[in-house]
Amino acid sequence: DTEVTQTPKHLVMGMTNKKSLKCEQHMGHRAMYWYKQKAKKPPELMFVYSYEKLSINESVPSRFSPECPNSSLLNLHLHALQPEDSALYLCASSQEPLAGGSETQYFGPGTRLLVL
Amino acid sequence: SQQGEEDPQALSIQEGENATMNCSYKTSINNLQWYRQNSGRGLVHLILIRSNEREKHSGRLRVTLDTSKKSSSLLITASRAADTASYFCATDDTGGFKTIFGAGTRLFVKA
Repeated sequence: DTEVTQTPKHLVMGMTNKKSLKCEQHMGHRAMYWYKQKAKKPPELMFVYSYEKLSINESVPSRFSPECPNSSLLNLHLHALQPEDSALYLCASSQEPLAGGSETQYFGPGTRLLVL
Repeated sequence: SQQGEEDPQALSIQEGENATMNCSYKTSINNLQWYRQNSGRGLVHLILIRSNEREKHSGRLRVTLDTSKKSSSLLITASRAADTASYFCATDDTGGFKTIFGAGTRLFVKA
């Protein structure tokens, strides 16, 4: 199974809502990532989890809260978002983090988020 | 921060023609990767080339790497309409802890 799944596919939320994005992989990968991608722009790294521990936080606002309950799951909790947070949120995983250079990453299809 | 810059930003060609995309980067790297993204979808890994390699092939893809010029190119031969997508180069940062994507080239292949 070489698939990374993400739910939901689409999400519309108000600025006062709390929602969560979910990501799952069953490839035994030990690194998982959250990226944010605006239209016609490259993905921007938000968080990296290495062996279920947060290893990189790219100065992301606290209204985004990641969680890694186990080695297969990655969540992104959303609270009090702003309209400018509307974007495609991509989850990815790779076999081994910090392996002398970036590893091939496997991406999920993304969650398209609209904040009203 | 963005490590890779790509050109052209957009490319439109006829089916059957070759497409060449270029990527330049700023700092030393361990490897460079190319990814494809169909509209609004996740990225798909195409090929990885290590810093001690100069050229690599995979099917209709040919990637070159020139570390002295800090640049790479992706050639897609005999393009197909299904190759229509955005193509991103990606490099590791100096510490090798994360992947940084270039701005991307949007390729449109006309049938």
